[in-house]
Amino acid sequence: AQRVTQPEKLLSVFKGAPVELKCNYSYSGSPELFWYVQYSRQRLQLLLRHISRESIKGFTADLNKGETSFHLKKPFAQEEDSAMYYCAPTVAGGTSYGKLTFGQGTILTVHP
Amino acid sequence: ETGVTQSPTHLIKTRGQQVTLRCSSQSGHNTVSWYQQALGQGPQFIFQYYREEENGRGNFPPRFSGLQFPNYSSELNVNALELDDSALYLCASSFRGSWETQYFGPGTRLLVL
Repeated sequence: AQRVTQPEKLLSVFKGAPVELKCNYSYSGSPELFWYVQYSRQRLQLLLRHISRESIKGFTADLNKGETSFHLKKPFAQEEDSAMYYCAPTVAGGTSYGKLTFGQGTILTVHP
Repeated sequence: ETGVTQSPTHLIKTRGQQVTLRCSSQSGHNTVSWYQQALGQGPQFIFQYYREEENGRGNFPPRFSGLQFPNYSSELNVNALELDDSALYLCASSFRGSWETQYFGPGTRLLVL
């Protein structure tokens, strides 16, 4: 079964501190991995995707196929990073095409 | 570029009733996915529509059904509502072939009494 685990429901850091949001997945085939974010009173939106190898708002995510992890990292957290973060794999073929499997989410709070 | 819109924003129904939720996809998108988000949980995939046909379904009973129209807008229908159907229903549109970057609507909050 396809499963995504975000072990921390809540994560609090101070401004300027490094932050790491953990994501472990159990997925058949070769999933593509995404991080979605929901800021207060805003809709769910894409933060970054592994295939793009991009850095958005200072966040990066490293895929470790051996550990089946896709942790989200930022070296210096900002107050505006406070939000709900979801890890979400998907696949590009078969009957599960485009189906995002969301973790339970991690609420990140960055204190001033 | 117009984003994904959903209607209504809120809805209250009683157990056993039927409900229809609507979604207008983002301009240029041909795929619509529906998700159910219970309180405190991540969104759960209900189904996806591409070219007006269901293209993948999550672990939801047949009383959850949908439609996609030629303009790529979509409806989610739920029959015989149960209390556990109370949730935020999210619609997401995407262009198939772009690694499924999905753009979400604001959601419809359904309360079943």
